[in-house]
Amino acid sequence: DGGITQSPKYLFRKEGQNVTLSCEQNLNHDAMYWYRQDPGQGLRLIYYSQIVNDFQKGDIAEGYSVSREKKESFPLTVTSAQKNPTAFYLCASSLNTGGRNEKLFFGSGTQLSVL
Amino acid sequence: AQKITQTQPGMFVQEKEAVTLDCTYDTSDQSYGLFWYKQPSSGEMIFLIYQGSYDEQNATEGRYSLNFQKARKSANLVISASQLGDSAMYFCAMSRYGGSQGNLIFGKGTKLSVKP
Repeated sequence: DGGITQSPKYLFRKEGQNVTLSCEQNLNHDAMYWYRQDPGQGLRLIYYSQIVNDFQKGDIAEGYSVSREKKESFPLTVTSAQKNPTAFYLCASSLNTGGRNEKLFFGSGTQLSVL
Repeated sequence: AQKITQTQPGMFVQEKEAVTLDCTYDTSDQSYGLFWYKQPSSGEMIFLIYQGSYDEQNATEGRYSLNFQKARKSANLVISASQLGDSAMYFCAMSRYGGSQGNLIFGKGTKLSVKP
């Protein structure tokens, strides 16, 4: 079945440590996204990529980095510069048709906590 | 700036009854899309329904319908015949002006609880 796989489901970070969240899709979608969700808050965009080897900052990119070396994969690294990384992270993808009805397909998320 | 507002942090509904979840939006764009997503306790976001700003008819998808009032900038979700499995967080979202069209702005969500 086609879909988006995020791993791990739970992740713990120590002080000063970088951690990487994995996102893989087999939907053949061109665009991929990373959102952050805090309790009682909506989703906020961290980074997005419309094509391989290209990505754009979202609203809260500071302290995060991404790469897009393959169409299927869009890993997110939470660096030590991100001082409040505890949150639920959702990866999404879309066809990137350019239409306003472009809907996002989401993974099941990764909960990141600080030790 | 574009913004989505969901004023109901939590809602209760009796099983088999209808419920309306409120969403208002702010944008200066003439062409935009509005979406509703459901997030069960498992965490995954599930697409429910879409309404385009130029669509003359309100969108419907099974038990979901969107009450779109453009002049009031509201896009309320109506769930008919509520089921226990409808208990979840519900998010209203809008396509962002410019850039990737899949780049959405989300509201803070409404937690719906369906009582048996």
